[in-house]
Amino acid sequence: NAGVMQNPRHLVRRRGQEARLRCSPMKGHSHVYWYRQLPEEGLKFMVYLQKENIIDESGMPKERFSAEFPKEGPSILRIQQVVRGDSAAYFCASSPVAGGNSPLHFGNGTRLTVT
Amino acid sequence: AQTVTQSQPEMSVQEAETVTLSCTYDTSESDYYLFWYKQPPSRQMILVIRQEAYKQQNATENRFSVNFQKAAKSFSLKISDSQLGDAAMYFCAYGGGDDKIIFGKGTRLHILP
Repeated sequence: NAGVMQNPRHLVRRRGQEARLRCSPMKGHSHVYWYRQLPEEGLKFMVYLQKENIIDESGMPKERFSAEFPKEGPSILRIQQVVRGDSAAYFCASSPVAGGNSPLHFGNGTRLTVT
Repeated sequence: AQTVTQSQPEMSVQEAETVTLSCTYDTSESDYYLFWYKQPPSRQMILVIRQEAYKQQNATENRFSVNFQKAAKSFSLKISDSQLGDAAMYFCAYGGGDDKIIFGKGTRLHILP
């Protein structure tokens, strides 16, 4: 049973470009969470999605950031017109049920560098 | 809103000794879950231990155990017989009724040989 798959592992973008981060949850998991980790800091919640629905996006910046989890295919975190401050590690996690009823299973993260 | 606080940015322990990492949280909910995750240099997030708030018994996983004090909203992690492979960032996390799981800022644990 494959774990949570994130790609790419590393992504370099110039300022103003778009970044697309992909996350395939574990098989049977319909709940996906995205977190951002700045250097030497903890994981900051961004968005929680279920299939085709955004449940909670309270941690996501209102502009330039969007997330989706379509019926078919991976969850996508999109950052438009990237700026240097977007440089961070972005982690995706999945679970079979909501909240803390089941632990989160994490991917290995995507490290975004904006030059 | 719920918050998770880890007041120790870094800690060191001698190999084979015992160390306790602190975590406090704030919530108005009565039913929730608490977690400790480990993040080694590989960056992979690994679940160490999980506690359900309605269970009074402290969770234990081999050398890892917690001291859960619900009234004090405290959830510390004890690592016994520390090993070099325990060196990592440790994150305390809270999962409650609004379904999202929030993390503390972490404690970097160094193991001294």
